[in-house]
Amino acid sequence: QKEVEQDPGPLSVPEGAIVSLNCTYSNSAFQYFMWYRQYSRKGPELLMYTYSSGNKEDGRFTAQVDKSSKYISLFIRDSQPSDSATYLCAMSAGAGKSTFGDGTTLTVKP
Amino acid sequence: NAGVTQTPKFRILKIGQSMTLQCTQDMNHNYMYWYRQDPGMGLKLIYYSVGAGITDKGEVPNGYNVSRSTTEDFPLRLELAAPSQTSVYFCASSSRTGGYQPQHFGDGTRLSIL
Repeated sequence: QKEVEQDPGPLSVPEGAIVSLNCTYSNSAFQYFMWYRQYSRKGPELLMYTYSSGNKEDGRFTAQVDKSSKYISLFIRDSQPSDSATYLCAMSAGAGKSTFGDGTTLTVKP
Repeated sequence: NAGVTQTPKFRILKIGQSMTLQCTQDMNHNYMYWYRQDPGMGLKLIYYSVGAGITDKGEVPNGYNVSRSTTEDFPLRLELAAPSQTSVYFCASSSRTGGYQPQHFGDGTRLSIL
């Protein structure tokens, strides 16, 4: 079993839709939970990160972590065509190595 | 501000050839990483380094070697290229200072072994 499982997708939604991206994990030592966005033929870039359980909001993006269920989510409100990318969840026990999910490819159609 | 720079961007190798993928960062980061990303898959850690002179294996180290003689540079060496090493390779770096520090990625090297 993988340490991090990500809903595979792909997802295709109309512009303005609410998008939910999800990951589960098995390692209780994970304390930091990240979402990276990767555009085609580019390296991943950090979108948001959360320490321990709770919610974090940044503009149209909300990250949720439920450590009791070992489940994390990223919500995108009012999705835009520019949000079309692959989204990777990642988790870490501290400074240094992270474990990545396989990614979910999102297409937002105008 | 260049960040993480990887060269070359593309390369085609024949089976059995060797090559070095270059990675350099200008952010004075202690931690550096090499990942491979196969189509439709996430990032698999090949090797990582916590500082100059210190390297360690990741999840998929077989067929690769690394060295870290300076803070800035972290080259990845393929000795005997095999078709299974066809992939996109990403180098990343992060700071060591407390708590979580995001990894900064280069734009990758696309490698085909034929």
